[in-house]
Amino acid sequence: GDSVTQMEGPVTLSEEAFLTINCTYTATGYPSLFWYVQYPGEGLQLLLKATKADDKGSNKGFEATYRKETTSFHLEKGSVQVSDSAVYFCALSDTVGNDKLIFGTGTRLQVFP
Amino acid sequence: EPEVTQTPSHQVTQMGQEVILRCVPISNHLYFYWYRQILGQKVEFLVSFYNNEISEKSEIFDDQFSVERPDGSNFTLKIRSTKLEDSAMYFCASSRGQQPQHFGDGTRLSIL
Repeated sequence: GDSVTQMEGPVTLSEEAFLTINCTYTATGYPSLFWYVQYPGEGLQLLLKATKADDKGSNKGFEATYRKETTSFHLEKGSVQVSDSAVYFCALSDTVGNDKLIFGTGTRLQVFP
Repeated sequence: EPEVTQTPSHQVTQMGQEVILRCVPISNHLYFYWYRQILGQKVEFLVSFYNNEISEKSEIFDDQFSVERPDGSNFTLKIRSTKLEDSAMYFCASSRGQQPQHFGDGTRLSIL
């Protein structure tokens, strides 16, 4: 079945460092891809999405490009802030909104001043 | 911005007891979901609900689980006879279809 694999955390960075969190997927069709973020004590918030190959999702300085050839959707940010400390989840679904989300295990990011 | 709200934020229940987790989805959304996250593990799909019936359910969603939309606003998850392994964070989500799912802050369920 469909699945998502994320790099294990925690990822520990200094403020203003470059961030990459790797995500690869396995799917039979052409899924939509998402990054959700969970701040301490809160629920899951959509960070960005991409619905077809070569789409780039972006939000709050974060970016991810849907790479069909490598089945990847890596999350990047050029300069992280302490406030970016959270758990990041990569996810896929068969459609943008109608179908269940399949999540990766989550990657905890800790940013220190 | 409209939000998905879940109550209670924390529920403590004795093993074998029934528990109902409540969710108020965003008002114009049509698709509703429950997910759970056991501590330290990934978020797992439980069930999806559309047009007053279950669209899809996972293997986790056995006969002990049920969902209901008793009125125009609430969406509930009932666990009939709780087990220790039901302890987890339960998330409700909703969507309009063709738009991403919006999640609530979750209910932490602790089974003693």
